[in-house]
Amino acid sequence: GAGVSQSPSNKVTEKGKDVELRCDPISGHTALYWYRQSLGQGLEFLIYFQGNSAPDKSGLPSDRFSAERTGGSVSTLTIQRTQQEDSAVYLCASSPNAGRSGGQPQHFGDGTRLSIL
Amino acid sequence: GDSVTQMEGPVTLSEEAFLTINCTYTATGYPSLFWYVQYPGEGLQLLLKATKADDKGSNKGFEATYRKETTSFHLEKGSVQVSDSAVYFCAQGGSEKLVFGKGTKLTVNP
Repeated sequence: GAGVSQSPSNKVTEKGKDVELRCDPISGHTALYWYRQSLGQGLEFLIYFQGNSAPDKSGLPSDRFSAERTGGSVSTLTIQRTQQEDSAVYLCASSPNAGRSGGQPQHFGDGTRLSIL
Repeated sequence: GDSVTQMEGPVTLSEEAFLTINCTYTATGYPSLFWYVQYPGEGLQLLLKATKADDKGSNKGFEATYRKETTSFHLEKGSVQVSDSAVYFCAQGGSEKLVFGKGTKLTVNP
């Protein structure tokens, strides 16, 4: 497809389990971003990739969160030993390049709604 | 640090009313500014953007002007429609990541 694709669209899991969320960016986009959207917190930046490297991981809330990107394309966000406060919508976005180059907008996927029981 | 403050909602208007959603930002330097919209059950979509002072972004009848002197980027529309009901997010992109406001929910009644 032409847009950013995320899977699964919904995920329900028990507290303490690990989860993996996937993002397929727009073809050719070198920059990829993960955000979290939760009630009361708005949209929070988690991490971004330029190619396969992650220059900014400052938004990852704890060491239970990690992300990787391979082949400059697909990215996975992994949450280990999930907690109830991890419940949120996780959004992925991509753009042609990172940085301030002309104020390029980011294109968002529909998100993964994660619910921790 | 960089931040974005937008008016809290919810905002409820009648069709054809005038809309303003206020947005101000704090940043080092001169960030690009964006408005994103999230329709019910859908993902975030770019509505409009401005990359430098005095630029006006416009799309679908919405407008916002980059005001450096007041560090603002208020969203306006002269005549809203029911189909404009959504959550609107102001954002700045001064560095690689976007910093968002908390969102303003707009409901337009017929």
